[in-house]
Amino acid sequence: QLQLQESGPGLVKPSETLSLTCTVSGGSISSSSYYWGWIRQPPGKGLEWIGSIYYSGSTYYNPSLKSRVTISVDTSKNQFSLKLSSVTAADTAVYYCSGYYGPIDYWGQGTLVTVSS
Amino acid sequence: EIVMTQSPATLSVSPGERATLSCRASQSVSSNLAWYQQKPGQAPRLLIYGASTRATGIPARFSGSGSGTEFTLTISSLQSEDFAVYYCQQYNNWAGTFGQGTKVEIK
Repeated sequence: QLQLQESGPGLVKPSETLSLTCTVSGGSISSSSYYWGWIRQPPGKGLEWIGSIYYSGSTYYNPSLKSRVTISVDTSKNQFSLKLSSVTAADTAVYYCSGYYGPIDYWGQGTLVTVSS
Repeated sequence: EIVMTQSPATLSVSPGERATLSCRASQSVSSNLAWYQQKPGQAPRLLIYGASTRATGIPARFSGSGSGTEFTLTISSLQSEDFAVYYCQQYNNWAGTFGQGTKVEIK
């Protein structure tokens, strides 16, 4: 049973880079059984797929965010990370990390990131 | 990008009644369709995958149907704990997109 936990700053200034880490327990991040993804949810709004990474290193990013997003894996720490550059208030959201192969079986609890000066 | 459209945006239902939620894809996603339930302050929970297969521990009152571009989630007899927001998601490609959600509220 996978468990995922997001960590990172809860407040980021406009134009800076948002950085979050997801720590995976109960399974290996190098496993071919899972994709690892990030999803966000602005306050009071719906879910938006940010991007995903597979153990092979292959990534997919939401086209609307692609120019600003980087997702990477640190196998030594069993973690994967999200970097979102040049943030604005529109990037304020709860950010969820996820593990899945098809439908999303495993979700982190989510972490609120506010973009404000 | 595949666009998912859910209807209605809000559904007012009395406890014990049936709720029917719809989800439409802008192109065929075969049966690669999931439904999630989200309650305030919580992460979404997987209810249905493969359009019609209940996830582990999900009560039988939840059922899903459809394929291609048209899908339905039915809650046969609403319980108090079922009032929540429901999202559909296609995972036909590995960048799964979500519908905008249907809020099921108490009538």
